Amino acid sequence: DAGVIQSPRHEVTEMGQEVTLRCKPISGHNSLFWYRQTMMRGLELLIYFNNNVPIDDSGMPEDRFSAKMPNASFSTLKIQPSEPRDSAVYFCASSFGTGGQGPYSNQPQHFGDGTRLSIL
Amino acid sequence: TQLLEQSPQFLSIQEGENLTVYCNSSSVFSSLQWYRQEPGEGPVLLVTVVTGGEVKKLKRLTFQFGDARKDSSLHITAAQPGDTGLYLCAGVKRGSNYKLTFGKGTLLTVNP
Repeated sequence: DAGVIQSPRHEVTEMGQEVTLRCKPISGHNSLFWYRQTMMRGLELLIYFNNNVPIDDSGMPEDRFSAKMPNASFSTLKIQPSEPRDSAVYFCASSFGTGGQGPYSNQPQHFGDGTRLSIL
Repeated sequence: TQLLEQSPQFLSIQEGENLTVYCNSSSVFSSLQWYRQEPGEGPVLLVTVVTGGEVKKLKRLTFQFGDARKDSSLHITAAQPGDTGLYLCAGVKRGSNYKLTFGKGTLLTVNP
């Protein structure tokens, strides 16, 4: 089975430009997570979707970041305008979860291979 | 302040040696997971522990969840070069049913 697919794998752009990261979750999974990984802060949750609905966006750094999930098989994370401090590896993960309410399902999160973003 | 503190941060050992890495917190977790991440890839789940005092074994890897569900350890016996990678612990705090909080990881290098 195909895993979580992210694109692009690498992105280098100048500050001020718009950046769009893409994610295709595993078919049948109803939970999707965007994370950011840096040496200083490790892996941080940016936003969580359940059944295509954003449940928790408290980790989104600021208004320059936005995420959408128009359907069950696609999500985007957009940064506009980008800044050098946004440079990081961005991961998308999916799982089969119970959502914002109800008991924890203990279902594992499956990660994509990430997008390495460099803002010059 | 990091919610989950992992130690050591870096570990370089020779093939065949044993090692233990730690994941500590002052918070109680409903469950705790261990992931391994290799360069250029995403983290891959190794194990989930949910019961205080639980011990799980995965071949040469032994995982333990503390009795108070605030800490965990990973012990590797007879390490091999293929064990090289970043080991991350991640916990779900009580009161949440989805939010994984990750430690910064232990970067393990096993030299042949």
